[in-house]
Amino acid sequence: ETGVTQTPRHLVMGMTNKKSLKCEQHLGHNAMYWYKQSAKKPLELMFVYNFKEQTENNSVPSRFSPECPNSSHLFLHLHTLQPEDSALYLCASSQDTGGEVHFGNGTRLTVT
Amino acid sequence: AQSVTQLGSHVSVSEGALVLLRCNYSSSVPPYLFWYVQYPNQGLQLLLKYTTGATLVKGINGFEAEFKKSETSFHLTKPSAHMSDAAEYFCAVSATRRALTFGSGTRLQVQP
Repeated sequence: ETGVTQTPRHLVMGMTNKKSLKCEQHLGHNAMYWYKQSAKKPLELMFVYNFKEQTENNSVPSRFSPECPNSSHLFLHLHTLQPEDSALYLCASSQDTGGEVHFGNGTRLTVT
Repeated sequence: AQSVTQLGSHVSVSEGALVLLRCNYSSSVPPYLFWYVQYPNQGLQLLLKYTTGATLVKGINGFEAEFKKSETSFHLTKPSAHMSDAAEYFCAVSATRRALTFGSGTRLQVQP
């Protein structure tokens, strides 16, 4: 497989559930990102990891918890979410921060 | 600081007509500039990028963009629209090796 792979593609969860989104990149990149895409809003950068170290956290609520065990894998752990957290969550990677970014197809999250 | 403004959230053209999607950026240093396209239920795909050198950049699917420093613009054009060009287009900027900042997107409709 090539590129950036995200699983699951769709997720429906209740507000009391705990779930995780997974992202894997096969491009040999050093930087990985989580973006949130909501209807009628610009793409929001959530977290940036460079060489497994978190370098940006854009005031994301603590109910979103990222994990980057190595340069190829990125997780987003979710707990006690709110309905307004329903969105498309996009993972991306790049060789270095600030360079060309490659996106996965996203996880469509619905919080009920 | 870096930011992007895309003028027009929706643009509609006839098949065969010129496509012009506008993007203006703000950056305190020479920027890297990107255009991405997003089809329904997919992630973002890179159309073209400007880093340094020639200011007219050609991308995939017949698209091109011109970096105009004096106007802080990076408008996307295509001489002749095709039905398959219908999608959402995002302009993005990166400065000083920071993660990309995206515009709010322009939805392109192509009428037969």
